[in-house]
Amino acid sequence: NAGVTQTPKFQVLKTGQSMTLQCAQDMNHEYMSWYRQDPGMGLRLIHYSVGAGITDQGEVPNGYNVSRSTTEDFPLRLLSAAPSQTSVYFCASSWPGHASEAFFGQGTRLTVV
Amino acid sequence: AQKITQTQPGMFVQEKEAVTLDCTYDTSDPSYGLFWYKQPSSGEMIFLIYQGSYDQQNATEGRYSLNFQKARKSANLVISASQLGDSAMYFCAMREYRAGGTSYGKLTFGQGTILTVHP
Repeated sequence: NAGVTQTPKFQVLKTGQSMTLQCAQDMNHEYMSWYRQDPGMGLRLIHYSVGAGITDQGEVPNGYNVSRSTTEDFPLRLLSAAPSQTSVYFCASSWPGHASEAFFGQGTRLTVV
Repeated sequence: AQKITQTQPGMFVQEKEAVTLDCTYDTSDPSYGLFWYKQPSSGEMIFLIYQGSYDQQNATEGRYSLNFQKARKSANLVISASQLGDSAMYFCAMREYRAGGTSYGKLTFGQGTILTVHP
């Protein structure tokens, strides 16, 4: 049972490059989210989705795009990487139920130079 | 506006002692859920405990309990009999619901508290 799988685990980008962080879950969860974690700021929501074809912005969406074509996958695209996007990125999924905990991937450590 | 506030950047506790990690929240929605997660140095996020806004009793899970004071909008995590393995970052999080019980799915996190357990 894989749960939430994020790839890659580590990535170094040059300023201006684009890339896609992959996230896949095998629990048939409807809700999926992307967070970034920076020191002293906790986890901040970038984008989220409540089902295939439905996405919305979170607290810090600028510079990121998402799409949700299937229930399983929720990729995060960095359009033109900036040093301010250096962070640890987490993908999470959950049921929409009342007390549903979020299941997290292992995280992607991204450095933009 | 900050919805989840954890005012303790760092906490220290002696092994086998109890420790309380503070969390206050802000919402106008009567229906919400509060979660605590643990993040060890390895980086994964581990779910610890959940409290619903309509729950009459404080949640407990083994050595973890949640001191839920709804009127004060606080949801403090109590860890009893601390162990060295409890040293980690702890996050409080809140999920708000649309009227009727349908979850948005969005989870808002606090800044976290680093707990260090001394032998």
